[in-house]
Amino acid sequence: QVQLVQSGAEVKKPGASVKISCKASGYTFTNSYIHWVRQAPGQGLECMGIFNPNDGSRTYAQKFQGRLTVTRDMSTSTVYMELTSLTSEDTAFYYCARGASCRGDCFGLDFAPFLDYWGQGTLVTVSS
Amino acid sequence: QSVLTQPPSASGTPGQRVTISCSGSSSNIGRNYVYWYQQLPGTAPKLLIYRDNQRPSGVPDRFSGSKSGTSASLAISGLRSEDEAEYHCATWDDSLSGPGVFGGGTKLTVL
Repeated sequence: QVQLVQSGAEVKKPGASVKISCKASGYTFTNSYIHWVRQAPGQGLECMGIFNPNDGSRTYAQKFQGRLTVTRDMSTSTVYMELTSLTSEDTAFYYCARGASCRGDCFGLDFAPFLDYWGQGTLVTVSS
Repeated sequence: QSVLTQPPSASGTPGQRVTISCSGSSSNIGRNYVYWYQQLPGTAPKLLIYRDNQRPSGVPDRFSGSKSGTSASLAISGLRSEDEAEYHCATWDDSLSGPGVFGGGTKLTVL
């Protein structure tokens, strides 16, 4: 069965960076996109970026450009999301989610927020 | 400030039909598919409706989606207590060079 398993909760000081992992299993890693979505306490969902594990294509929401980097390790089917220069406003649950699936390996990007499987979420708390 | 506008709350009694709206613009809902997610308290969101009105397998037919122009709606018929959750609409915006956009979410209370 399809699973996305994320790394555990993090507590960071303002100005620090956080790197969250998302390990995929139960499907062909290169045949689907990975989206990163966050949710601040009591707030709505916010798309952060889309990543293609096959060719490394990526796009980030404008507000995160310069601070967000998504990478992958093909050998472990793991996608990583790193966010730098943290402030208290980055305190949130961070989710990875599987996006659209391709007929074989994906190329380029698919912006559709078709998110059929989600990780369990990782709470990042930014506090001095 | 979300690109898509949803009412912050909605309510209904068991058995009733409720609808939740999602308003956008010509650059998002007006030209792209809409997706709906259900988020139970303390859990990750779950895909409820895709491509405006399609249900993934396992989603009851009590849930239905529709779209007209730059607005979309989620309807829940035969309301049940377990439907009490947060509902989010999503699409992508052609004027933004980035990923998708979500509405602010609607908290549904079953009275």
